[in-house]
Amino acid sequence: AQSVTQLDSHVSVSEGTPVLLRCNYSSSYSPSLFWYVQHPNKGLQLLLKYTSAATLVKGINGFEAEFKKSETSFHLTKPSAHMSDAAEYFCVVSGPGGSYIPTFGRGTSLIVHP
Amino acid sequence: DTGVSQNPRHKITKRGQNVTFRCDPISEHNRLYWYRQTLGQGPEFLTYFQNEAQLEKSRLLSDRFSAERPKGSFSTLEIQRTEQGDSAMYLCASIELANTGELFFGEGSRLTVL
Repeated sequence: AQSVTQLDSHVSVSEGTPVLLRCNYSSSYSPSLFWYVQHPNKGLQLLLKYTSAATLVKGINGFEAEFKKSETSFHLTKPSAHMSDAAEYFCVVSGPGGSYIPTFGRGTSLIVHP
Repeated sequence: DTGVSQNPRHKITKRGQNVTFRCDPISEHNRLYWYRQTLGQGPEFLTYFQNEAQLEKSRLLSDRFSAERPKGSFSTLEIQRTEQGDSAMYLCASIELANTGELFFGEGSRLTVL
């Protein structure tokens, strides 16, 4: 069994300030973890993924995430928010094996103020 | 590689009517997923195919829902006797390599049941 909890439904930041979107996961296996972004009226786009290599993962647009097994967390960060970062962000967990079914969190809406 | 394509993008129907959505995955991807996303929620797994075989179905997939993937290429998702609760975005995704790979999503088919 696997699940993911996004701890904040909304995060509001000012442009130029750091972004932190929190995600905790539960998995019976050694998980693969992903962050996807969804802009209004657009498809889901992969930001970054962790697949048991380096625990600090860098993604597109300056985002990165750190896998912490002891805390079962995979928080997404960015040093400086841009207006274009305003979107919905989803943390996703999946396990190995034949039944590979990625499970999504409920999403965090990132609001960026000028 | 033209990405994952879904049609129609929008469908408005009256309660009780049948609707069908089509998904064309990335050509070399042998696994195809259907998810449903309602407002303010993350995508929820419905079913997936490995080539033409439907390997797993969620409990969300009532008997009014049926999905096919003839010849392991495109897939269709049919909803019979639609209900207002079926109103949602239906997302299709494909993947080349299960276990660690990312999902590639289409832009979705939005269903509104009046």
